[in-house]
Amino acid sequence: NAGVTQTPKFRVLKTGQSMTLLCAQDMNHEYMYWYRQDPGMGLRLIHYSVGEGTTAKGEVPDGYNVSRLKKQNFLLGLESAAPSQTSVYFCASRPGQGFSQPQHFGDGTRLSIL
Amino acid sequence: AQTVTQSQPEMSVQEAETVTLSCTYDTSESNYYLFWYKQPPSRQMILVIRQEAYKQQNATENRFSVNFQKAAKSFSLKISDSQLGDTAMYFCAFMKHLVDGNQFYFGTGTSLTVIP
Repeated sequence: NAGVTQTPKFRVLKTGQSMTLLCAQDMNHEYMYWYRQDPGMGLRLIHYSVGEGTTAKGEVPDGYNVSRLKKQNFLLGLESAAPSQTSVYFCASRPGQGFSQPQHFGDGTRLSIL
Repeated sequence: AQTVTQSQPEMSVQEAETVTLSCTYDTSESNYYLFWYKQPPSRQMILVIRQEAYKQQNATENRFSVNFQKAAKSFSLKISDSQLGDTAMYFCAFMKHLVDGNQFYFGTGTSLTVIP
C-alpha cells in the first residue's frame, strides 16, 4: 500500500526559483494538509483542502500556493523561493470529517533554499 | 488560537523502564481530539494513540497509555516497558472541528532516547 507519497524527497533551490511539491494519496481521502517542520517549532499547517477543488489557509500560508485539481493530489507551490522557506515539508491526508480519523503522513520533503 | 505545549525538549529512559511525556494545551473548545505522534529517525510520522475529549476513560494502546485531565488541559503519554525502537521524537497534537474542515495543532516535540 502506497498511502501518502511525496515527490521529491530532497531538493535544493536558489533564492527566487519556483517549484512545486507533489502529494499523492491512494486512499480516497477527502482531506489533505501541507505542513512545514522547523527545528524547535513542531509542525505548522500551511494550507489544507477538504475536497477536490477546495483549499484553505492554515497557520503559515504566506509565500505558498496550493491546488487540489484531483482528489488524490495536493500540490504545494513556491513561486519565488526564499531562504526562510528552508524546511522539511510534510503532506498528510485523512478520510473526512469524522473526529476519530487520524492523519496519514507522507515521508516528508527536505527543501533547502540557498 | 489553540496552543500545544510540550515542556520537555529531551528525555531519556532505560530500556524496560517507564517514561511519561507531558503535553498541555489551551483551547476554548468543548469537543476536540488529542493525539500523540511518533517520528523516528526515518522521519515518518506515526500515530501512537488518540483521545476523544468527551471520553473520560484514558486511551490505551498496548504499552502506550495517556493520562487525560480535561479540566487541567493536560494530555501526558506513558510508555511502559520502553524498547529501543521507541527512540524517536514524540509530538502531541490537538484537533478541532471547523465548519470547513479540521485543523491540527502540534507541539514542538519531545526527543526520547531509550538507553540499552
